[in-house]
Amino acid sequence: DAGVIQSPRHEVTEMGQEVTLRCKPISGHNSLFWYRQTMMRGLELLIYFNNNVPIDDSGMPEDRFSAKMPNASFSTLKIQPSEPRDSAVYFCASRGTVSVADTQYFGPGTRLTVL
Amino acid sequence: QQQVKQSPQSLIVQKGGISIINCAYENTAFDYFPWYQQFPGKGPALLIAIRPDVSEKKEGRFTISFNKSAKQFSLHIMDSQPGDSATYFCAASIDSGAGSYQLTFGKGTKLSVIP
Repeated sequence: DAGVIQSPRHEVTEMGQEVTLRCKPISGHNSLFWYRQTMMRGLELLIYFNNNVPIDDSGMPEDRFSAKMPNASFSTLKIQPSEPRDSAVYFCASRGTVSVADTQYFGPGTRLTVL
Repeated sequence: QQQVKQSPQSLIVQKGGISIINCAYENTAFDYFPWYQQFPGKGPALLIAIRPDVSEKKEGRFTISFNKSAKQFSLHIMDSQPGDSATYFCAASIDSGAGSYQLTFGKGTKLSVIP
């Protein structure tokens, strides 16, 4: 199994630029999650999808953040415009069913640095 | 009410010793409590999980102890090894089966096991 695939693994950009993070969930999984991890705030859920439909985006910090899941095998998280405080590791995770008790499988993360 | 408080923030244990990480929650409706393990440069991975109908669950050297009345649960790592050095996250959720609730993570504990 390839697991959850994220790209890029590292992204360095300048303030004001648009950033797009990509995620390919495990094939057949029904739920997809975007998390942000920082030392100060730990692991925060930004948004999650069930069957490609956004269910809860209350964790998205601002309108500068948007996420899409056009099909079952691809999702993007976009930040426009980016700011230095967006620097963090962004994780995508997928889960086989919509049940919270099913295991979430995390990708390797994208380390974003905004200068 | 959705918070999960985790302690300590960091922990250093001698090889062969017992590592203990504690978590406390407020929402009495929580009924699913997993622990995730994260190695540097990797995404978190499910380690072990418990439901409140049992007070303890053991898998190898890893044990979850659960105290429903105190609203606390803890992870014990017996015979700790240098390979256990990682960041550990507790989490909690309501398992409604409908996918309407998601995991709330603690802030993590960085465990270092020294030879």
